[in-house]
Amino acid sequence: KAGVTQTPRYLIKTRGQQVTLSCSPISGHRSVSWYQQTPGQGLQFLFEYFSETQRNKGNFPGRFSGRQFSNSRSEMNVSTLELGDSALYLCASSSGLRGQGTEAFFGQGTRLTVV
Amino acid sequence: GENVEQHPSTLSVQEGDSAVIKCTYSDSASNYFPWYKQELGKRPQLIIDIRSNVGEKKDQRIAVTLNKTAKHFSLHITETQPEDSAVYFCAASLVGQFYFGTGTSLTVIP
Repeated sequence: KAGVTQTPRYLIKTRGQQVTLSCSPISGHRSVSWYQQTPGQGLQFLFEYFSETQRNKGNFPGRFSGRQFSNSRSEMNVSTLELGDSALYLCASSSGLRGQGTEAFFGQGTRLTVV
Repeated sequence: GENVEQHPSTLSVQEGDSAVIKCTYSDSASNYFPWYKQELGKRPQLIIDIRSNVGEKKDQRIAVTLNKTAKHFSLHITETQPEDSAVYFCAASLVGQFYFGTGTSLTVIP
């Protein structure tokens, strides 16, 4: 069974630009969560999508948005990039079934550098 | 919302000793508590998890305990080895949303 795949692995963007990151979950998983990881800040939750709907949202500004497609693949978009957006962006895939906790598996991450 | 606190932030142990990492959570509705290990430059990997209807779970050298009343859970690693050196994250989850602790950097000294 293929794991969670994130593309691209590395990105360098300029301040003010926008960027789109992609995450393909494990086959059969309907939940995709996105996290920002920076040194000293741990894993900060961005949002979670389940069956094409945003189900949960963290405390990030509106410049961070996402969507999920019918095949459960998810994209995350960051507009008007700032230097502070430089981070490792991880997505996690899980079945997301309501009423029970389920294992989440992470992709390799996309390393975004804003210059 | 849920708040997960993790301690200590750094931990150094001698090879062969035990290591304990502790987490507390705030939302009593959380029912799933996984632990992840992240080696340098790699993705977090699930190493053990526990659900709210269980008090303890063990897998070889690692074990997790959960105290629902006190809302805390702990990771125990026995007979530590150099390859256990990594950052460990605890998390609390209810439905699809995982709240992570800030991580513990474990160093096992040979």
